[in-house]
Amino acid sequence: GAGVSQSPRYKVAKRGQDVALRCDPISGHVSLFWYQQALGQGPEFLTYFQNEAQLDKSGLPSDRFFAERPEGSVSTLKIQRTQQEDSAVYLCASSFQIRTSGDTDTQYFGPGTRLTVL
Amino acid sequence: RKEVEQDPGPFNVPEGATVAFNCTYSNSASQSFFWYRQDCRKEPKLLMSVYSSGNEDGRFTAQLNRASQYISLLIRDSKLSDSATYLCVVITTSGTYKYIFGTGTRLKVLA
Repeated sequence: GAGVSQSPRYKVAKRGQDVALRCDPISGHVSLFWYQQALGQGPEFLTYFQNEAQLDKSGLPSDRFFAERPEGSVSTLKIQRTQQEDSAVYLCASSFQIRTSGDTDTQYFGPGTRLTVL
Repeated sequence: RKEVEQDPGPFNVPEGATVAFNCTYSNSASQSFFWYRQDCRKEPKLLMSVYSSGNEDGRFTAQLNRASQYISLLIRDSKLSDSATYLCVVITTSGTYKYIFGTGTRLKVLA
């Protein structure tokens, strides 16, 4: 079956532009995660959805970042008024479900969107 | 101090060598642990879970030491294709569910 897909794969934006990044999780996966990965660093958590509910957005770096998953499948990460420090790879991951505390599901990552802000 | 720390490397080793990576974590409430592999300009992919009793998958062995709060990955008989960045991942469920990644350790296996 298809894995996690993301679009666009590459995005170049001028400083101040708004961008929207899309994630299509694996069909049937309840949980969806967004990460930001700067060059030479590990992925940093941004936000987490369970179905359409955004359960944790503590990693979003500023109020310019907004994520949604209105129908519990496809998700969009929007960045308003982009800044140079937003340049990074944005990774989306999905997992089948979250079970009870202490028991986790493997996350499957999409290929990422490489955002460059000029 | 980062929640999950790894030596960024790079580790340059000859083919056939044995190499080990360590990763330390600061949150004692951490419950699950993984190693992911990330090739250049690719997404992270699960390499293996890490269990308290230690576990092995072919040439790869993972260990967890809860008392000292570190996990390790041992690669035996290194292949050229093992060249990648190895990411340590710690799951915390205190308050919320999060994957916390280390910065990754770069491995280059040389012919």
